[in-house]
Amino acid sequence: SAVISQKPSRDICQRGTSLTIQCQVDSQVTMMFWYRQQPGQSLTLIATANQGSEATYESGFVIDKFPISRPNLTFSTLTVSNMSPEDSSIYLCSAGRRDTGELFFGEGSRLTVL
Amino acid sequence: GENVEQHPSTLSVQEGDSAVIKCTYSDSASNYFPWYKQELGKRPQLIIDIRSNVGEKKDQRIAVTLNKTAKHFSLHITETQPEDSAVYFCAASTGTASKLTFGTGTRLQVTL
Repeated sequence: SAVISQKPSRDICQRGTSLTIQCQVDSQVTMMFWYRQQPGQSLTLIATANQGSEATYESGFVIDKFPISRPNLTFSTLTVSNMSPEDSSIYLCSAGRRDTGELFFGEGSRLTVL
Repeated sequence: GENVEQHPSTLSVQEGDSAVIKCTYSDSASNYFPWYKQELGKRPQLIIDIRSNVGEKKDQRIAVTLNKTAKHFSLHITETQPEDSAVYFCAASTGTASKLTFGTGTRLQVTL
C-alpha cells in the first residue's frame, strides 16, 4: 500500500487568509485526489490533481478558491484561498495506482478558520 | 454523476453478533466498490473491495456482496468485536484508481 503524508496535520487560521496543504506519496501513483470531510460527514471530492496540468474540479468547487498543483507523480498541494469559517473542515489527500486499483488516504489536515 | 446511498446511518450490535450495511448506486457504469473504515480522528482505511465481475468476496470476518442488476452492494461483518466500532463508508467508481463517490457512512457500535 502507498504511504501518504500530509502537512500540516492541523492549523488554525484567520478569516481572509490562505493555507496550502502538501501531500507526498512514497511510491509511484497514477491518480491523486483531494477530498473534504466536514465534521461527522462523508467525504466529498474536491478535485482530481493532474500531473503537469490544471486539476479537474467537481461541481461546487472552483480553481480560484481551491487551487491545486501536481508538479510530479508523487506530490500535490491544495490551497484553500480567502478562507471563511465555512471552510473549517478536514482536507484529505488520496492516491492510487491503476494496476492495483486501490485508493489510499493521507491522515488529513484539520483546518479551523476563525 | 454517481449517487451512492447507504443504510443504516447508525447500527448497534452486541459483541459476537453480525452487522450488515447496505449501499445502492445509480451509475450502471460503476464497476469498483470499496469499503472504508474510519476510526475517530483517523484516516479512512480500505478494508475490502469488490469488482463488478465478482458477486461476493470474503476476508476473514468481513465479506462484501454485489448485485449488479439491482445496483446494490453490502458489507457483512460476522462475530463482531469492540474494535469493529467505527464509521464505515461504502464507495463506488467507474474504474481502478478512479475517483470515488462515497456513501453517507454508517456508525457501527459494538457493545459488550
